Amino acid sequence: GEDVEQSLFLSVREGDSSVINCTYTDSSSTYLYWYKQEPGAGLQLLTYIFSNMDMKQDQRLTVLLNKKDKHLSLRIADTQTGDSAIYFCAERSDDKIIFGKGTRLHILP
Amino acid sequence: EPEVTQTPSHQVTQMGQEVILRCVPISNHLYFYWYRQILGQKVEFLVSFYNNEISEKSEIFDDQFSVERPDGSNFTLKIRSTKLEDSAMYFCASMGQANTGELFFGEGSRLTVL
Repeated sequence: GEDVEQSLFLSVREGDSSVINCTYTDSSSTYLYWYKQEPGAGLQLLTYIFSNMDMKQDQRLTVLLNKKDKHLSLRIADTQTGDSAIYFCAERSDDKIIFGKGTRLHILP
Repeated sequence: EPEVTQTPSHQVTQMGQEVILRCVPISNHLYFYWYRQILGQKVEFLVSFYNNEISEKSEIFDDQFSVERPDGSNFTLKIRSTKLEDSAMYFCASMGQANTGELFFGEGSRLTVL
């Protein structure tokens, strides 16, 4: 079945770039997403990429998609304390979106 | 900015009671979803709803659960005979067009079953 895997934790110094990686299994996925969840809050859509693209940039965010390896990454440039959150990778499979377990991004001063 | 709204934000109920969680999706959206997140765990798909019927559901969404769009604006999740393990955050989401891919979530309803 569909599955999305991502590492659980990442620590980055303030001002450095953060790279969060994700792998997925459904090769027919049409869209891949990154969501952000701050403590006690809902899921905020950060960005998404259509499966026929290999890169998308939106301000400090860069999404890279390697369809051959089914690998998705999110790069956050100039990481700030406000970026501290859980980041969920997700894939769209038919009518549903499947989430990974989330990567907790911790910012070091 | 349009948003998905959910009520209540927190509900505490006794085991065996019925609970209804309510959602108002973004007004021109056509696709509706319920997800749940048990504390500290992943966000799990429950059900998707389109054109007044369920389009897909997960193994979690058994006969204990039902969804309804009673009046063209609200989208509800009913949980009958709640169990302790139903305690979780329940998220409603909506999508405008199937080809946009943008799924917008509400803030969630926290259900605590005692």
